Amino acid sequence: DVKVTQSSRYLVKRTGEKVFLECVQDMDHENMFWYRQDPGLGLRLIYFSYDVKMKEKGDIPEGYSVSREKKERFSLILESASTNQTSMYLCASSQSYRLDGEQFFGPGTRLTVL
Amino acid sequence: QKEVEQNSGPLSVPEGAIASLNCTYSDRGSQSFFWYRQYSGKSPELIMFIYSNGDKEDGRFTAQLNKASQYVSLLIRDSQPSDSATYLCAAHHNAGNMLTFGGGTRLMVKP
Repeated sequence: DVKVTQSSRYLVKRTGEKVFLECVQDMDHENMFWYRQDPGLGLRLIYFSYDVKMKEKGDIPEGYSVSREKKERFSLILESASTNQTSMYLCASSQSYRLDGEQFFGPGTRLTVL
Repeated sequence: QKEVEQNSGPLSVPEGAIASLNCTYSDRGSQSFFWYRQYSGKSPELIMFIYSNGDKEDGRFTAQLNKASQYVSLLIRDSQPSDSATYLCAAHHNAGNMLTFGGGTRLMVKP
């Protein structure tokens, strides 16, 4: 079974703090993704990576950065957390360049920024 | 801007009925399409994908794709209360191997 794990299920941080969200997958997938999900806005892509040390901006990268030093691990960094970054964050991974490129999701991290 | 549109619902159907969920997409370059189910508080899980025009059946689920009309649908036969969830439609773009998700349709199956 494919497994995507995320470091925390729930996280509470203060405005201005630096926040690290970690994601690990165990299926040797090339692609990894970070989304945020908000009511009425659906899943929005923040960043994705198709290889170690490679990253591409998604639809809403502002205020975020990412790091992929190892194939199985993809980190999302909030440089200075703000209240509008309160959201559910979902990590996903997939095999590369397949028509049936299913993305497997982690359990999500619900981040609250006070 | 690549867009995938879904009616947010809620779509309410009685137990045993057919639920029909619809999705339209704007990018003609999209080649494959995915339906995910997401229970409240949980992460999305894949139901099925389709990339050829026509119907694809998997148990109680049938996905339909019409590329000319840029339309994807999911039919759920013999709907059960356990099918109550939000259903996400996604279009796959080979460039960057990304998925663009619709906002989801909330389905409620009433006993």
